[in-house]
Amino acid sequence: GENVEQHPSTLSVQEGDSAVIKCTYSDSASNYFPWYKQELGKRPQLIIDIRSNVGEKKDQRIAVTLNKTAKHFSLHITETQPEDSAVYFCAASISGTASKLTFGTGTRLQVTL
Amino acid sequence: DGGITQSPKYLFRKEGQNVTLSCEQNLNHDAMYWYRQDPGQGLRLIYYSQIVNDFQKGDIAEGYSVSREKKESFPLTVTSAQKNPTAFYLCASSFTGDGYTFGSGTRLTVV
Repeated sequence: GENVEQHPSTLSVQEGDSAVIKCTYSDSASNYFPWYKQELGKRPQLIIDIRSNVGEKKDQRIAVTLNKTAKHFSLHITETQPEDSAVYFCAASISGTASKLTFGTGTRLQVTL
Repeated sequence: DGGITQSPKYLFRKEGQNVTLSCEQNLNHDAMYWYRQDPGQGLRLIYYSQIVNDFQKGDIAEGYSVSREKKESFPLTVTSAQKNPTAFYLCASSFTGDGYTFGSGTRLTVV
């Protein structure tokens, strides 16, 4: 089955700096890659996703890039703010009738003032 | 207001007891999922269901059971066979092939 590795496990940046979280996946058939943000004690929430027919997607300060050949995808957060502090999870799946997400182990992002 | 509701928020289980976690959605999603979240281990799939009256085991199904008698409901039973059930349990739903909407979770503790 699919295996998703995520790095780093913790990341501390100063407010205004950029943060990058990287994931690799094992199943070359995977074609859907969402990212979730989970604040302390809350449910994970989808913040951005990308499908394998595109290489990059942006939404304001958040962007995701995908390298299908290397089986890597990354989350980029620019101009970080204290409210970006949370745990971020990447995931991968084969979109379709049997789709189920396999999650990475999470990255705890701390944005300091 | 559409959404996915889990109950209870906190649940305490005695040794040898079965407990059932509720998950209800009114999003008209076909697929529903149960994940277990432990510190430092991310989210691990317990069971999932793509359609009513059908479900499949995930990566850590031992000691758990589910049913899918209605599209809106996907309850999870933690049986006495699950030796380490203390965790945060998340239910999710989706249209097939899309991202999940998660419930707010149930924190289960063995006492």
